[in-house]
Amino acid sequence: DAKTTQPPSMDCAEGRAANLPCNHSTISGNEYVYWYRQIHSQGPQYIIHGLKNNETNEMASLIITEDRKSSTLILPHATLRDTAVYYCIVRFVSGSARQLTFGSGTQLTVLP
Amino acid sequence: ETGVTQTPRHLVMGMTNKKSLKCEQHLGHNAMYWYKQSAKKPLELMFVYNFKEQTENNSVPSRFSPECPNSSHLFLHLHTLQPEDSALYLCASSLHRLGRSGANVLTFGAGSRLTVL
Repeated sequence: DAKTTQPPSMDCAEGRAANLPCNHSTISGNEYVYWYRQIHSQGPQYIIHGLKNNETNEMASLIITEDRKSSTLILPHATLRDTAVYYCIVRFVSGSARQLTFGSGTQLTVLP
Repeated sequence: ETGVTQTPRHLVMGMTNKKSLKCEQHLGHNAMYWYKQSAKKPLELMFVYNFKEQTENNSVPSRFSPECPNSSHLFLHLHTLQPEDSALYLCASSLHRLGRSGANVLTFGAGSRLTVL
């Protein structure tokens, strides 16, 4: 069962900002939102995470709505190397374990 | 290089073979994970180890046997696999044990691409 909803694909022009949305309407309590990306046939790469406040690092910015039901990952100046599948993940409880489960993600294609 | 090293990167094996995948991290992390990624499918969590103890087995067939001799090393032993087991097998680690509140960032290896003939 999906805990997050993302568009399956998006295109972005090189040099422009890429805004990737994610819906996590069932997020609870103090659960964080994480973003990873996976370039073809490589291991997923951590990008950023946040709880309530907006966050920024050298890779991206994360905007979380006040009700925490959705978030947007922003790549400020997309390059061709940013072409990848982007995963928005929240932790959920399964029995005695808390897991990070990956959905289908958004395939971002940066166009020259 | 992420700090999580997986070997071999590519493996081709027959259905009657026995092989092992190895994962190593020297990040000082306490939890390690095996994920499976089949073509066109999301990552599937297979096993979780916290402080060398297996805490999660997501209904994985017994032909996959994990081993965690210490908090830096994780193995996945493979025996009598099926062609549908062909996939990218990813190892990950995290600083904190599962169940601990707060952020828990996973660091992934590059994966081992397995082909079962």
